This record gives sequence, structure tokens and C-alpha cells, in this order.
Amino acid sequence: SAVISQKPSRDICQRGTSLTIQCQVDSQVTMMFWYRQQPGQSLTLIATANQGSEATYESGFVIDKFPISRPNLTFSTLTVSNMSPEDSSIYLCSVEKRGSDTQYFGPGTRLTVL
Amino acid sequence: AQSVTQLDSHVSVSEGTPVLLRCNYSSSYSPSLFWYVQHPNKGLQLLLKYTSAATLVKGINGFEAEFKKSETSFHLTKPSAHMSDAAEYFCVVSESRGYSTLTFGKGTMLLVSP
Repeated sequence: SAVISQKPSRDICQRGTSLTIQCQVDSQVTMMFWYRQQPGQSLTLIATANQGSEATYESGFVIDKFPISRPNLTFSTLTVSNMSPEDSSIYLCSVEKRGSDTQYFGPGTRLTVL
Repeated sequence: AQSVTQLDSHVSVSEGTPVLLRCNYSSSYSPSLFWYVQHPNKGLQLLLKYTSAATLVKGINGFEAEFKKSETSFHLTKPSAHMSDAAEYFCVVSESRGYSTLTFGKGTMLLVSP
């Protein structure tokens, strides 16, 4: 398994601003993933972050809105840009080690946009 | 393409009675299947996973699931519910692209009454 932390745990932001969410894992991992969980909904994958390369975005998500960094094997950030109330969600990161076939999730960041 | 159907959005049981959370999946390949649990205001915790070994999989906290290929099902059970089991449960199917690609069901909220 892996121990994953996210910062901030929650935030309330104003429309039009941006928020950067950090994800830190206690060991080196191959892949890191970012998910969105809208209120009362299941999880939707935003993008996959591989160290040293551009993130791969899922349909409906674009880099200008959700820029992602992955500077090393234990850390990644997701920025939610030019926020609107529709961005109010829980954002979760997950990690997978090479060959493990299992993703482990962080505690999530609860974002409210006013 | 892969998909997951959780047949019940809510399941209510009394403490000490059995739990059954139903899940059907669709996958083009031999899938890996998971159950995750999300307690209120928490991240996702892995309960158990199936990866083509034994069809009856034992997980944490007394939960188990049985993979039935002929029925394309992966139902989660527990013989005796505890109040602390009250949470949302997600059935997840995974296909590998070199890393796992998860598709989540919509979730089942388990309510446990005294």
C-alpha cells in the first residue's frame, strides 16, 4: 500500500480564482491519478500523471482548466483554474506502483466555490 | 469498453444481520475487480480485489466478494453488519493499459440501524 496526503483538506474559494492541490506519497510510485467526485456522484478520472511527461487528460477535461505537474516520483499538483461554482467537488489523487494493479487513494480535497 | 452497474443506490440493514451489495460488470478483457469504501468526509479505502486467482476473495473488516464470470457479477457480502460499516461502497472494474484504468460504479450507500 501507500500513505498519501493531500493539501489542503478543504477550501472555500471565490469565483474566478485558482486553487492548487498537492498530493504527496510516502514512497516512489509509477503513476499518479487525479479524480473528481461531484456532490452525490461517483468518481471521474481527470488525468493521469506520469513523471517526466505531460499528463494525459480524459475526455471533457483540458489542460488549461486543470494543469497538472509531476516533478518527481512522490509528488504531484492539480490546479483548478478560473473556478466557478460547478467546480465544487472533492478532488482525490491516487497512486499506483509498477506491476501492482491497484490504486490507493488520498483523503481528498473538498472544494467549495462561491 | 468496460462498465459497472451497482444495482442498489441504498441498502439498509440492522446491526448483526447480513450485508449484500450487488455489482455487475462488463469488460472486453479479463478484468480486475475491486471494492472500495468511503466513510463520510474520508478518502477511498481498498476493501478487496479480484485478479483472476481464487474466485472468492476475502477483504478487510470481514467483507468478502465472489467473482462469477457466468453472471458477470462481483457481489460484496458480510455475515454480520456493524454500525461502523455504514458508508458508501464502490464497485470498480479495471483494465490495464500498462497501468490500471478504473471505471467506478455509482456507489451503494449502506445504512446500518441499531
